Amino acid sequence: AQSVTQLDSQVPVFEEAPVELRCNYSSSVSVYLFWYVQYPNQGLQLLLKYLSGSTLVKGINGFEAEFNKSQTSFHLRKPSVHISDTAEYFCAVSGNTGGFKTIFGAGTRLFVKA
Amino acid sequence: DTAVSQTPKYLVTQMGNDKSIKCEQNLGHDTMYWYKQDSKKFLKIMFSYNNKELIINETVPNRFSPKSPDKAHLNLHINSLELGDSAVYFCASSQDVNPGYEQYFGPGTRLTVT
Repeated sequence: AQSVTQLDSQVPVFEEAPVELRCNYSSSVSVYLFWYVQYPNQGLQLLLKYLSGSTLVKGINGFEAEFNKSQTSFHLRKPSVHISDTAEYFCAVSGNTGGFKTIFGAGTRLFVKA
Repeated sequence: DTAVSQTPKYLVTQMGNDKSIKCEQNLGHDTMYWYKQDSKKFLKIMFSYNNKELIINETVPNRFSPKSPDKAHLNLHINSLELGDSAVYFCASSQDVNPGYEQYFGPGTRLTVT
Protein backbone atom coordinates (compact mmCIF):
# COMPACT_ATOMS: atom_id res chain seq x y z
CA ALA A 1 0.00 0.00 0.00
CA GLN A 2 1.13 3.54 -0.68
CA SER A 3 1.23 6.32 1.88
CA VAL A 4 2.38 9.91 2.16
CA THR A 5 3.64 11.80 5.19
CA GLN A 6 4.00 15.54 5.22
CA LEU A 7 6.30 16.23 8.11
CA ASP A 8 5.15 19.75 8.96
CA SER A 9 1.54 20.79 9.43
CA GLN A 10 2.43 24.50 9.41
CA VAL A 11 5.46 26.42 8.15
CA PRO A 12 5.69 30.14 8.94
CA VAL A 13 8.32 32.03 6.99
CA PHE A 14 9.20 35.65 6.27
CA GLU A 15 8.78 37.11 2.81
CA GLU A 16 11.80 36.64 0.52
CA ALA A 17 13.18 33.84 2.71
CA PRO A 18 13.73 30.32 1.31
CA VAL A 19 11.36 27.54 2.25
CA GLU A 20 11.31 23.74 2.16
CA LEU A 21 8.15 21.68 2.64
CA ARG A 22 8.93 18.07 3.45
CA CYS A 23 7.24 14.98 2.05
CA ASN A 24 8.06 11.31 2.56
CA TYR A 25 6.29 8.46 0.84
CA SER A 26 6.19 4.70 1.08
CA SER A 27 5.49 2.31 -1.74
CA SER A 28 6.61 -1.12 -2.82
CA VAL A 29 6.56 -0.22 -6.50
CA SER A 30 7.57 2.66 -8.73
CA VAL A 31 5.61 5.78 -7.98
CA TYR A 32 4.55 9.04 -9.47
CA LEU A 33 4.79 12.03 -7.16
CA PHE A 34 2.92 15.31 -7.21
CA TRP A 35 2.72 18.60 -5.35
CA TYR A 36 -0.56 20.50 -5.42
CA VAL A 37 -1.37 23.94 -4.00
CA GLN A 38 -4.72 25.06 -2.60
CA TYR A 39 -5.30 28.80 -2.19
CA PRO A 40 -8.04 29.86 0.24
CA ASN A 41 -11.53 28.90 -0.90
CA GLN A 42 -10.27 27.29 -4.10
CA GLY A 43 -9.67 23.83 -5.49
CA LEU A 44 -6.26 22.21 -5.75
CA GLN A 45 -3.99 22.95 -8.68
CA LEU A 46 -0.85 21.18 -9.81
CA LEU A 47 2.51 22.75 -8.92
CA LEU A 48 4.74 20.02 -10.33
CA LYS A 49 5.07 16.29 -10.79
CA TYR A 50 7.75 13.61 -11.01
CA LEU A 51 7.20 10.69 -13.38
CA SER A 52 10.73 9.57 -14.26
CA GLY A 53 14.07 10.93 -15.45
CA SER A 54 15.76 13.90 -13.84
CA THR A 55 15.25 13.90 -10.10
CA LEU A 56 15.00 17.70 -9.94
CA VAL A 57 11.62 18.86 -11.12
CA LYS A 58 10.71 22.48 -11.76
CA GLY A 59 7.15 23.69 -11.44
CA ILE A 60 5.09 26.84 -11.62
CA ASN A 61 5.60 29.97 -9.52
CA GLY A 62 9.32 29.28 -8.96
CA PHE A 63 8.84 26.04 -7.02
CA GLU A 64 10.99 22.95 -7.49
CA ALA A 65 11.16 19.52 -5.89
CA GLU A 66 13.77 16.80 -5.68
CA PHE A 67 12.96 13.11 -5.88
CA ASN A 68 15.20 11.05 -3.62
CA LYS A 69 14.56 7.35 -4.04
CA SER A 70 16.93 6.18 -1.30
CA GLN A 71 15.31 8.47 1.26
CA THR A 72 11.82 8.05 -0.23
CA SER A 73 11.38 11.80 -0.16
CA PHE A 74 10.02 14.47 -2.48
CA HIS A 75 10.64 17.79 -0.74
CA LEU A 76 9.33 21.04 -2.22
CA ARG A 77 11.52 24.16 -2.23
CA LYS A 78 11.40 27.78 -3.23
CA PRO A 79 14.40 30.09 -2.89
CA SER A 80 12.41 33.24 -2.12
CA VAL A 81 8.74 33.25 -1.12
CA HIS A 82 6.10 35.93 -1.59
CA ILE A 83 3.07 36.83 0.46
CA SER A 84 0.98 35.36 -2.37
CA ASP A 85 2.50 31.90 -1.73
CA THR A 86 0.46 31.65 1.47
CA ALA A 87 -1.62 28.52 0.88
CA GLU A 88 -2.04 24.84 1.73
CA TYR A 89 0.37 22.49 -0.04
CA PHE A 90 -0.36 18.83 -0.64
CA CYS A 91 2.09 16.07 -1.57
CA ALA A 92 0.52 13.12 -3.38
CA VAL A 93 1.59 9.70 -4.63
CA SER A 94 0.15 7.34 -7.20
CA GLY A 95 1.39 4.19 -8.85
CA ASN A 96 0.47 1.10 -10.75
CA THR A 97 -0.86 -0.59 -7.64
CA GLY A 98 -3.42 0.91 -5.31
CA GLY A 99 -6.35 0.62 -7.68
CA PHE A 100 -5.99 3.88 -9.63
CA LYS A 101 -5.99 5.91 -6.42
CA THR A 102 -3.89 8.98 -5.72
CA ILE A 103 -3.04 9.23 -2.04
CA PHE A 104 -2.76 12.76 -0.64
CA GLY A 105 -0.77 13.84 2.38
CA ALA A 106 -2.41 15.76 5.21
CA GLY A 107 -1.20 19.09 3.83
CA THR A 108 1.26 21.76 4.99
CA ARG A 109 0.04 25.27 5.63
CA LEU A 110 2.64 27.76 4.36
CA PHE A 111 2.19 31.15 5.97
CA VAL A 112 4.35 33.95 4.55
CA LYS A 113 4.79 36.96 6.83
CA ALA A 114 5.72 40.47 5.75
CA ASP B 1 -14.09 28.74 -19.69
CA THR B 2 -13.91 26.87 -16.40
CA ALA B 3 -12.28 23.46 -16.88
CA VAL B 4 -14.03 21.70 -13.96
CA SER B 5 -17.14 23.35 -12.59
CA GLN B 6 -19.35 22.44 -9.66
CA THR B 7 -22.76 23.63 -8.55
CA PRO B 8 -23.72 24.84 -6.08
CA LYS B 9 -20.70 26.50 -4.47
CA TYR B 10 -22.41 26.65 -1.08
CA LEU B 11 -25.12 24.37 0.26
CA VAL B 12 -26.74 24.86 3.66
CA THR B 13 -29.39 22.34 4.62
CA GLN B 14 -30.95 20.58 7.59
CA MET B 15 -30.33 17.09 8.87
CA GLY B 16 -32.42 14.46 7.14
CA ASN B 17 -32.69 16.31 3.84
CA ASP B 18 -31.55 14.95 0.45
CA LYS B 19 -29.28 17.06 -1.75
CA SER B 20 -27.28 16.81 -4.98
CA ILE B 21 -24.04 18.35 -6.20
CA LYS B 22 -23.32 18.56 -9.91
CA CYS B 23 -19.94 18.47 -11.65
CA GLU B 24 -18.98 19.05 -15.27
CA GLN B 25 -15.61 19.03 -17.02
CA ASN B 26 -14.91 20.41 -20.48
CA LEU B 27 -11.39 18.98 -20.78
CA GLY B 28 -12.38 15.85 -22.68
CA HIS B 29 -11.08 13.69 -19.82
CA ASP B 30 -12.14 10.08 -19.33
CA THR B 31 -11.85 9.89 -15.53
CA MET B 32 -13.67 11.85 -12.83
CA TYR B 33 -13.50 11.80 -9.02
CA TRP B 34 -15.29 12.94 -5.89
CA TYR B 35 -13.25 13.90 -2.84
CA LYS B 36 -14.31 14.99 0.65
CA GLN B 37 -12.14 17.56 2.46
CA ASP B 38 -12.75 17.84 6.18
CA SER B 39 -12.22 20.82 8.45
CA LYS B 40 -8.55 19.87 8.93
CA LYS B 41 -8.02 19.95 5.15
CA PHE B 42 -7.62 16.17 4.93
CA LEU B 43 -8.58 15.04 1.41
CA LYS B 44 -10.24 11.65 1.03
CA ILE B 45 -11.24 9.93 -2.20
CA MET B 46 -14.86 8.83 -2.29
CA PHE B 47 -15.59 7.67 -5.83
CA SER B 48 -14.05 7.56 -9.28
CA TYR B 49 -15.58 6.91 -12.68
CA ASN B 50 -13.80 6.08 -15.92
CA ASN B 51 -15.91 6.48 -19.06
CA LYS B 52 -19.10 6.34 -16.98
CA GLU B 53 -18.04 3.18 -15.14
CA LEU B 54 -17.42 3.12 -11.39
CA ILE B 55 -13.80 2.15 -10.66
CA ILE B 56 -13.23 3.41 -7.12
CA ASN B 57 -15.81 3.10 -4.37
CA GLU B 58 -14.25 3.79 -1.01
CA THR B 59 -15.83 3.01 2.34
CA VAL B 60 -18.55 5.60 2.04
CA PRO B 61 -22.04 5.33 3.57
CA ASN B 62 -24.55 4.12 1.00
CA ARG B 63 -26.43 7.38 1.56
CA PHE B 64 -23.94 8.74 -0.97
CA SER B 65 -24.68 7.77 -4.55
CA PRO B 66 -22.67 9.00 -7.54
CA LYS B 67 -24.10 9.09 -11.05
CA SER B 68 -22.28 9.66 -14.31
CA PRO B 69 -24.73 10.32 -17.17
CA ASP B 70 -21.81 10.81 -19.57
CA LYS B 71 -18.06 11.07 -19.22
CA ALA B 72 -18.19 14.87 -18.87
CA HIS B 73 -20.51 14.81 -15.87
CA LEU B 74 -20.34 13.25 -12.42
CA ASN B 75 -23.03 14.09 -9.89
CA LEU B 76 -23.22 13.24 -6.21
CA HIS B 77 -26.53 12.63 -4.46
CA ILE B 78 -26.67 12.47 -0.68
CA ASN B 79 -29.69 11.06 1.17
CA SER B 80 -30.65 11.68 4.80
CA LEU B 81 -27.92 14.22 5.46
CA GLU B 82 -26.12 14.06 8.82
CA LEU B 83 -24.08 16.63 10.73
CA GLY B 84 -20.90 14.70 9.94
CA ASP B 85 -21.45 15.20 6.22
CA SER B 86 -20.51 18.87 6.62
CA ALA B 87 -17.34 19.33 4.56
CA VAL B 88 -16.07 20.68 1.27
CA TYR B 89 -16.67 18.30 -1.62
CA PHE B 90 -14.36 18.49 -4.62
CA CYS B 91 -14.87 17.09 -8.06
CA ALA B 92 -11.77 16.39 -10.15
CA SER B 93 -10.90 14.91 -13.52
CA SER B 94 -7.86 13.38 -15.20
CA GLN B 95 -7.09 12.38 -18.75
CA ASP B 96 -7.58 8.70 -17.94
CA VAL B 97 -6.78 6.14 -15.24
CA ASN B 98 -3.04 6.25 -15.90
CA PRO B 99 -1.60 7.16 -12.47
CA GLY B 100 0.90 9.53 -14.08
CA TYR B 101 -1.78 12.01 -15.11
CA GLU B 102 -2.47 14.90 -12.79
CA GLN B 103 -5.94 15.74 -11.59
CA TYR B 104 -7.81 18.96 -12.30
CA PHE B 105 -9.99 20.09 -9.43
CA GLY B 106 -13.22 22.05 -9.35
CA PRO B 107 -13.70 25.00 -6.96
CA GLY B 108 -15.46 22.88 -4.35
CA THR B 109 -18.92 22.77 -2.80
CA ARG B 110 -19.09 23.74 0.87
CA LEU B 111 -21.86 21.68 2.46
CA THR B 112 -23.12 22.73 5.87
CA VAL B 113 -25.64 20.49 7.61
CA THR B 114 -27.48 22.06 10.55
